Amino acid sequence: EVQLVESGGGLVQPGGSLRLSCEASGFTFSSYWMSWVRQAPGKGLEWVANINQEGNEKYFVDSVKGRFTISRDNAKKSLYLQMNSLRAEDSAIYYCARVNAGSYSSYYYYMDVWGKGTTVTVSS
Amino acid sequence: DIQMTQSPSSLSASVGDRVTITCRASQSISSYLNWYQQKPGRAPKLLIYATSNLQSGVPSRFSGSGSGTDFTLTINSLQPEDFAIYYCQRSYSTRALTFGGGTKVEIK
Repeated sequence: EVQLVESGGGLVQPGGSLRLSCEASGFTFSSYWMSWVRQAPGKGLEWVANINQEGNEKYFVDSVKGRFTISRDNAKKSLYLQMNSLRAEDSAIYYCARVNAGSYSSYYYYMDVWGKGTTVTVSS
Repeated sequence: DIQMTQSPSSLSASVGDRVTITCRASQSISSYLNWYQQKPGRAPKLLIYATSNLQSGVPSRFSGSGSGTDFTLTINSLQPEDFAIYYCQRSYSTRALTFGGGTKVEIK
């Protein structure tokens, strides 16, 4: 069964750090881009970060640039999100998602497998 | 950055209705748009990718269309299990897979 399982969420004080993990199973993890997507309480989805198959191409939403780092360990089939200098507005459910791709005249991407999410609360 | 705007933000409909949700990009994204469904307390689920391609297992009452800046998700004959929030997402580049703000489909 294709599956993603996130872990590492919890309560952290403003300015603190947290590392989220996402463990993949049922597919060739090293063949896919991977993403983190978050959802603040009562709000919509927000794409946070992407990482390519080799881990050497990474993109972030502006609001987390310089504070969050995305990485992966293909041998362990795991994706990570290191979150530093956390703010109250980073409180959210964080989802790990597999990014699949196709092409017409150029490539397109879509998130076809999602984990159940892990909750991060930033509060004093 | 390209912004994605959905309308309406919410709508009320009855079982059996035809529902249309619109997503507008702030600049052309060709035919690269995805649609997701999210139910309360659940992770999002991919419905349609690259504007009009139905994800495996998704009922054929869902369809997508559009190009450039204007896109549409249509649900024909709305079913009880379709009441949810729907999100569009630009899919052209991994530099920013931005979502729209969402459209909540509620029971009338």
